Amino acid sequence: GEEVAQTPKHLVRGEGQKAKLYCAPIKGHSYVFWYQQVLKNEFKFLISFQNENVFDETGMPKERFSAKCLPNSPCSLEIQATKLEDSAVYFCASSPTGQGAQNIQYFGAGTRLSVL
Amino acid sequence: AQKITQTQPGMFVQEKEAVTLDCTYDTSDPSYGLFWYKQPSSGEMIFLIYQGSYDQQNATEGRYSLNFQKARKSANLVISASQLGDSAMYFCAMRYFGNEKLTFGTGTRLTIIP
Repeated sequence: GEEVAQTPKHLVRGEGQKAKLYCAPIKGHSYVFWYQQVLKNEFKFLISFQNENVFDETGMPKERFSAKCLPNSPCSLEIQATKLEDSAVYFCASSPTGQGAQNIQYFGAGTRLSVL
Repeated sequence: AQKITQTQPGMFVQEKEAVTLDCTYDTSDPSYGLFWYKQPSSGEMIFLIYQGSYDQQNATEGRYSLNFQKARKSANLVISASQLGDSAMYFCAMRYFGNEKLTFGTGTRLTIIP
């Protein structure tokens, strides 16, 4: 597609429940990135993929967060046993290639996760 | 570690005036890219403009231009002839080539007054 598609738009979970977010990157883009935005102005990088391979996972809280990008499927970000502090907007972005000049990351509309 | 600083939490500007949003960055790497994104109240992140560290000229995209001062490590966004639709959060971001993640500033909330 011509835009990054994220589903669902809004997800509500009780504390301790699992949450799964999906992202379909722009067709032809090799790189996928996940970011967490809290308090409307703080962005935190979580993980990036080059095709189906993890490229950089330095931002992932590994004990509860996992992510995948499998061929012919949307990418996913899963949070096991959600905590109140996981409440945030999760953005997915894709870019045509990771390296070189002007490799702009195009963002999806985000998934708002509310943990109650 | 790379760091982006946006010192203006909020700005109010009269419609049709020009506005400059400040962004400074900290890096020792010679190869990097600087980006500006707009986030309206609806929440999506819209790419506005890009400047590479080796670019000789300041980037321009329509009403947006980037005042790039490499020695000062600043990359200010200039919006000419502001419009009501420019009211939004604006984020400055940086990316090292080879480490592709974006590092964001904390944003500036711009409000255009009619």
